[in-house]
Amino acid sequence: DTGVSQDPRHKITKRGQNVTFRCDPISEHNRLYWYRQTLGQGPEFLTYFQNEAQLEKSRLLSDRFSAERPKGSFSTLEIQRTEQGDSAMYLCASSLDLGRNEAFFGQGTRLTVV
Amino acid sequence: AQKVTQAQTEISVVEKEDVTLDCVYETRDTTYYLFWYKQPPSGELVFLIRRNSFDEQNEISGRYSWNFQKSTSSFNFTITASQVVDSAVYFCALSEDRAAGNKLTFGGGTRVLVKP
Repeated sequence: DTGVSQDPRHKITKRGQNVTFRCDPISEHNRLYWYRQTLGQGPEFLTYFQNEAQLEKSRLLSDRFSAERPKGSFSTLEIQRTEQGDSAMYLCASSLDLGRNEAFFGQGTRLTVV
Repeated sequence: AQKVTQAQTEISVVEKEDVTLDCVYETRDTTYYLFWYKQPPSGELVFLIRRNSFDEQNEISGRYSWNFQKSTSSFNFTITASQVVDSAVYFCALSEDRAAGNKLTFGGGTRVLVKP
């Protein structure tokens, strides 16, 4: 499978715990994007990387959210001190670094905070 | 700031009927890209079409066609002769930032249910 891979697919956590999600992009794609999708809504942009550089993080929802892409390949999204409002689907996408190239999305990680 | 509005929340049709999905966008930029994505029950967003703001030519690709009208800021999408497998949520999206490529603003989505 050469698509975008996200792990885990589902995560249930207790409020206050930290969680980390992983995204493996398509191998030749140097751009990687994180989105959040709540039930019944469209995806909401969070942050993106070009190679290992995080080019925008102002849309991260709070300082509890952070993302890394240390070697320009896979990326992690961490949420610290989770809250019930963090329950959502977290989507990762990757693309080549030209605007004309569409993004390919993974199947997402569904987070439930209880 | 950019905004995408999909006024239709759900559309139900019988197989072989045509389905048209409405999308209206707001942007201050003169250069932008518009997209349609499909999200089947599996959850993975699937790219369907992209249009840039300089090209208002409407096209047909298989059973898909689109109508881009810059004057009314609309980018409507039509599925011809719908099939049960077309049942999904369809999202219209806008990218203003050419450098950022796929930093997208999505609409709220339209759920399409195609009944046999």
